Amino acid sequence: EAQLVESGGGLVLPGGSLRLSCAASGFTLSRHWMSWVRQAPGKGLEWVAIINQDASAKFCVDSVKGRCTISRDNAKNSLSLQMSSLSTEDTAVYYCARVGFNDYDLDLWGQGTLVSVSS
Amino acid sequence: SYELTQPPSVSVSPGQTASITCSGDRLGDRSVSWYQQKPGQSPLLVIYQHTKRPSGIPERFSGSNSGNTATLTISGTQPVDEADYYCQACVWDTGAANVVFGGGTKLTVL
Repeated sequence: EAQLVESGGGLVLPGGSLRLSCAASGFTLSRHWMSWVRQAPGKGLEWVAIINQDASAKFCVDSVKGRCTISRDNAKNSLSLQMSSLSTEDTAVYYCARVGFNDYDLDLWGQGTLVSVSS
Repeated sequence: SYELTQPPSVSVSPGQTASITCSGDRLGDRSVSWYQQKPGQSPLLVIYQHTKRPSGIPERFSGSNSGNTATLTISGTQPVDEADYYCQACVWDTGAANVVFGGGTKLTVL
């Protein structure tokens, strides 16, 4: 069964950084673009970043551009997200999502990991 | 930046048809996906490429997309369909991908 499991969330001080990981299993990670999506408490979904199969293309949403790094290790079946200069506005559940083969639909999601930015 | 607009809420009686709209500039030219999210759960893909249902999604879920509006339709709505629904598209701008979500619609089954 295909599965994504995020880790690395927790409490972060304002101005700090985070590194989230996503472990993929049950499918061939190297065949898929992958993405991170976040959801602030009580709010809607916000796309954060996306990366292609061989990491030659990486994009982050404008609101985090310059402090966002998405990466992957296909050999280790893992995806990562690093963000720096965090503010309270970055508080959210962060989801790892698999991009399907049909025009960038997100066809598999992890359970999410909560990042709280607070002093 | 590209924006997708959804109504904040839609109400429907059990057994009736619910329609949730998603509006964006020339949205009909883009591939639209829809996600269902229940409280405390991760989003679930229910429609992709405007009209297609992933395996396991009930036939009562359907989609359409034309002009500036995409629509998710739930026929014979059941109480279990009560959830938040999000539309999504991917826009390429100056060689960069930008995945866009609508603000979400809370579907209430009264």
